Amino acid sequence: GDSVTQMEGPVTLSEEACLTINCTYTATGYPSLFWYVQYPGEGLQLLLKATKADDKGSNKGFEATYRKETTSFHLEKGSVQVSDSAVYFCALFLNAGNMLTFGGGTRLMVKP
Amino acid sequence: NAGVMQNPRHLVRRRGQEARLRCSPMKGHSHVYWYRQLPEEGLKFMVYLQKENIIDESGMPKERFSAEFPKEGPSILRIQQVVRGDSAAYFCASSPFQGGDTQYFGPGTRLTVL
Repeated sequence: GDSVTQMEGPVTLSEEACLTINCTYTATGYPSLFWYVQYPGEGLQLLLKATKADDKGSNKGFEATYRKETTSFHLEKGSVQVSDSAVYFCALFLNAGNMLTFGGGTRLMVKP
Repeated sequence: NAGVMQNPRHLVRRRGQEARLRCSPMKGHSHVYWYRQLPEEGLKFMVYLQKENIIDESGMPKERFSAEFPKEGPSILRIQQVVRGDSAAYFCASSPFQGGDTQYFGPGTRLTVL
């Protein structure tokens, strides 16, 4: 079946450090790929998306590139801030399906 | 434009009671999805509904759980005879069209079963 695997957290970084959160997927078709962010006590917010191979999604300094050859969609940011502390979820959506399939989430903690 | 609304935000029930979770989609959205997030886990799909129709309930437990999205009013996720294992955050999402890959999430209802 379709699945998403993320690196386990927590990931602890100092402010202004570089961030990479790995995400790989398994899918029977050609999915759209997403990163969602969940701040403490809140729901999920869409961070960025990419709908086809080699597309790059970007938002708020975060970016991720849809790599079909490695079935990956790693999240990157060049300089993290304390306010980026949250749980990040990678997800896929198959056009023939009805639901998002999520990874287990990666908690990011940024220290001043 | 209000986002997806869910209520209550927190719900406490004793074992054996019923839990009713409500979701009002974004304006103009007629497709609703329910997901469950167990502690320290990712979200798992439960059910997809359109107005007055259940389209996909492949993620719903076979017993005690039901969902509806009536012509008027919010979508309701109902859990009968709750057990401690039902304690989780339940999120609703909506999209404007079928097969919409971009879903907008509500703040969730955190259910605690004592």
